Parts: sequence; structure tokens; C-alpha cells
Amino acid sequence: GAVVSQHPSRVICKSGTSVKIECRSLDFQATTMFWYRQFPKKSLMLMATSNEGSKATYEQGVEKDKFLINHASLTLSTLTVTSAHPEDSSFYICSARGGGGSREFFGPGTRLTVL
Amino acid sequence: GEDVEQSLFLSVREGDSSVINCTYTDSSSTYLYWYKQEPGAGLQLLTYIFSNMDMKQDQRLTVLLNKKDKHLSLRIADTQTGDSAIYFCAESMLRDDKIIFGKGTRLHILP
Repeated sequence: GAVVSQHPSRVICKSGTSVKIECRSLDFQATTMFWYRQFPKKSLMLMATSNEGSKATYEQGVEKDKFLINHASLTLSTLTVTSAHPEDSSFYICSARGGGGSREFFGPGTRLTVL
Repeated sequence: GEDVEQSLFLSVREGDSSVINCTYTDSSSTYLYWYKQEPGAGLQLLTYIFSNMDMKQDQRLTVLLNKKDKHLSLRIADTQTGDSAIYFCAESMLRDDKIIFGKGTRLHILP
């Protein structure tokens, strides 16, 4: 089946620094990639949708200048958390979907801890 | 609006069947999914059902869909300790291509 990878799987950073998380589709071309955030004891919250070669569409309440998303190719999307704060600590999960109404495949997630 | 509801906890004895229930509000959903999340890990797709199906069985897993009542269930037969996890119900929407997740049901296995 389709595989989506994320790197790094775990990252610890100091407050004020920026962190980049990569999401790759390994065996299919992902026309659309999604970024989710999971809060403790809560469900996944969609942050943004990105289509290859165009600007990401952010959900209401998500700061686009803080969470920079780049979908430069059909197999790679990156999420950069800029000027990270402790409240940004969370589990970030990406997913990818090919064209033609295909299903969505999820990455294993990245746990971000901001000290 | 869009909403997916499921109970937060379920305790089951090892060897018994587990039934995790989910209700959703939007009748235009296309696929309905069950995901499993083990501690510290990402989501693992367990199974999914297309919205025009009533039932799908895959080894120990049985998914039942009642479109009239907008009710989805996941039955795990012969529950094992390795089934201990959080199970998320989710629906994908036809009109805007989003997936909406429930808050997850934590399945606890009793010895």
C-alpha cells in the first residue's frame, strides 16, 4: 500500500527557534497534502491543505505566518513552525492523497516539544 | 455542521468482542474510516467502508454502517492485549474533500 513518511519523528527545540517537518509520499504522487495537529485527549484538527505548486489553504484560526507550508513537488510537503513557543508542542501529522478521488494516507506523525 | 461523535472510553475483557460506536451528522460523506493509534504513534488505517455499503468484514474486524441513523460501528472479535489503543472514526466529505475525525475511543483491555 501507499506509504507516507515524516521526518523527523521527534524533535525538541528551544522557544523562539524554527522547526521544519517534512512529509513525503514514497510510492505515489500526492496532488494534495494535509497537515493535522493533535492535542492531548482531543481529535485531529486539520491545519491546512496544500496542493502541489500552489499556496496552502489554512483552516480558520491557524496562523499562516507561523505555520509555513510548502508543497514544492508531488512527493514532498514541508511544515515550518516559526518562532516556536511551548504551546506549539504537539503531535503533527501529515497525510497525502493522489489524484482521481483516491484515499488519504497518513504519515506516522512528528512529536514537537518546545522548551 | 460537520461532527463525528464517539464515546471516549471502552473497557473489554481479553477474549471478548469490542464494539466501538460512532455517529456522524453529514449525510454527504463518501468514505467512513476506522483508524487505530497506539501510544506515541501515528494513525494506522484499520479499515474503511464506502457509504453505499452496509457491512464490511476483514478478519477480526467487522464494520457496520447504518446510513439512515448515521451510525457506524467497529467490532473487534476475540479482543487481544495488542488491540489496546485509541480508535478514531472519520468521515470524508464529498463536497470539500476534508476528513473529519471523532475524538477517539480509548480501548482498555482487562485481563
